Amino acid sequence: QQQVKQSPQSLIVQKGGISIINCAYENTAFDYFPWYQQFPGKGPALLIAIRPDVSEKKEGRFTISFNKSAKQFSLHIMDSQPGDSATYFCAASMRGTNAGKSTFGDGTTLTVKP
Amino acid sequence: GAVVSQHPSRVICKSGTSVKIECRSLDFQATTMFWYRQFPKKSLMLMATSNEGSKATYEQGVEKDKFLINHASLTLSTLTVTSAHPEDSSFYICSAGGGHQPQHFGDGTRLSIL
Repeated sequence: QQQVKQSPQSLIVQKGGISIINCAYENTAFDYFPWYQQFPGKGPALLIAIRPDVSEKKEGRFTISFNKSAKQFSLHIMDSQPGDSATYFCAASMRGTNAGKSTFGDGTTLTVKP
Repeated sequence: GAVVSQHPSRVICKSGTSVKIECRSLDFQATTMFWYRQFPKKSLMLMATSNEGSKATYEQGVEKDKFLINHASLTLSTLTVTSAHPEDSSFYICSAGGGHQPQHFGDGTRLSIL
């Protein structure tokens, strides 16, 4: 049973456009939702994260929108640049005995065309 | 910021060889670290949770005798792939952190078994 579903699998956007990646989760015990960016041959790196007590978080060109009732969250990349071309993973984790253990989405490969 | 160092970055060896991969947290203590395996264009597959001073917790389907994990100090976890075969070829990534904090990932180890 996949607990975090991510879409789309791949995305092509023109430079300057908006990239949107969506994730949906099932376990209501999740209470921390980070997004990671991974370049080829490298480990993932934290991009931005949100907790469910807020509906939106913005850091520069990156925004997370969070809908607790729908159990969905999304990443918006404004003014997308070729350097944003990478694989993006959403994740979810929780406090308690499984603290630290994250569940990842399947990833979205973003290509930003110049 | 927190940094996790993983070594080596690339290993090429003959079938039957045992390979050790090190994961170090450079500026923080990590009682828990995670080991992932990633196939090309796929998501991160959690293999095991490395616990300082105690046995690792393996995910279902991961052979604990094949993938030996040692977490002898608060800054070092090692993964040893014993008697490696071509099907063990993959990208292995470690991380520390998680829960209500982001995971900090190493840059991964590309293992190629000939």
